[in-house]
Amino acid sequence: AQTVTQSQPEMSVQEAETVTLSCTYDTSESDYYLFWYKQPPSRQMILVIRQEAYKQQNATENRFSVNFQKAAKSFSLKISDSQLGDAAMYFCAYRSATSSHSNYQLIWGAGTKLIIKP
Amino acid sequence: DAGVIQSPRHEVTEMGQEVTLRCKPISGHDYLFWYRQTMMRGLELLIYFNNNVPIDDSGMPEDRFSAKMPNASFSTLKIQPSEPRDSAVYFCASSLRQDYGYTFGSGTRLTVV
Repeated sequence: AQTVTQSQPEMSVQEAETVTLSCTYDTSESDYYLFWYKQPPSRQMILVIRQEAYKQQNATENRFSVNFQKAAKSFSLKISDSQLGDAAMYFCAYRSATSSHSNYQLIWGAGTKLIIKP
Repeated sequence: DAGVIQSPRHEVTEMGQEVTLRCKPISGHDYLFWYRQTMMRGLELLIYFNNNVPIDDSGMPEDRFSAKMPNASFSTLKIQPSEPRDSAVYFCASSLRQDYGYTFGSGTRLTVV
C-alpha cells in the first residue's frame, strides 16, 4: 500500500523569504500523480500544484514550485517570496495512475503547518 | 462553475438527533468523495461514489452513518443518531480526471453536544 509522509509538523518563515516543505512517499508503482493542497484557516482545501510522475520537469505555479525526485520518492514544495496569505496547513497527496476505481482515492500526508512571520 | 457546494456550513445538534449534510458536486464530475477531518485523525475518507454508485464505503465508521447519491448533482451524508465523537469537519469533494486531483467544498463543521 502507498504511504505519504510529511516529517515537518510545523514550519515558520519570514515574510518575503523562501521556504521548502518536505514530502516523501512509498509506492511500487511507476506511474502516479502527486499533489500539494493548502488549507488556510478558512478550512477550504485548495489545490496548489500537481505533478505527473512520468514528467521529469518540475511543476511550477507562480511562486510555488516542486522538487520532484522520483528515485528518492521525494516531492517537496518550495514557496518563494512568502506572503502572509500563504499561512496554512499544507498537505501532500498521492494518487495512482492505474485505472481502477480504488485508485481514485488520494493518499494523504499528515500535513505541515506553515507560519509566516511579518 | 460555482464549485462544490456544501450545506450547511455549520451545524450544532444535540446528541441523538439526526444530522444530514448535503453536497452538490461540480457538473460533469463523475466521482464524489466524503471526508471527515479531525485534529486527532486528520483526513479520513468515509465513502466515495462513481456515477452515483457507491464504490467503497469501508471508511464509514459505523452503521449510524449512511450516504446516498440519488443523482449526479446531489449527495447526502446522514448520521443517525449523532454522538459527540462525530464532531468534525465534513468535506465533500468531486473529481473528473484522475490526474487533476479533487475539488473540495468548503466543508460542514458539525458539533454534537
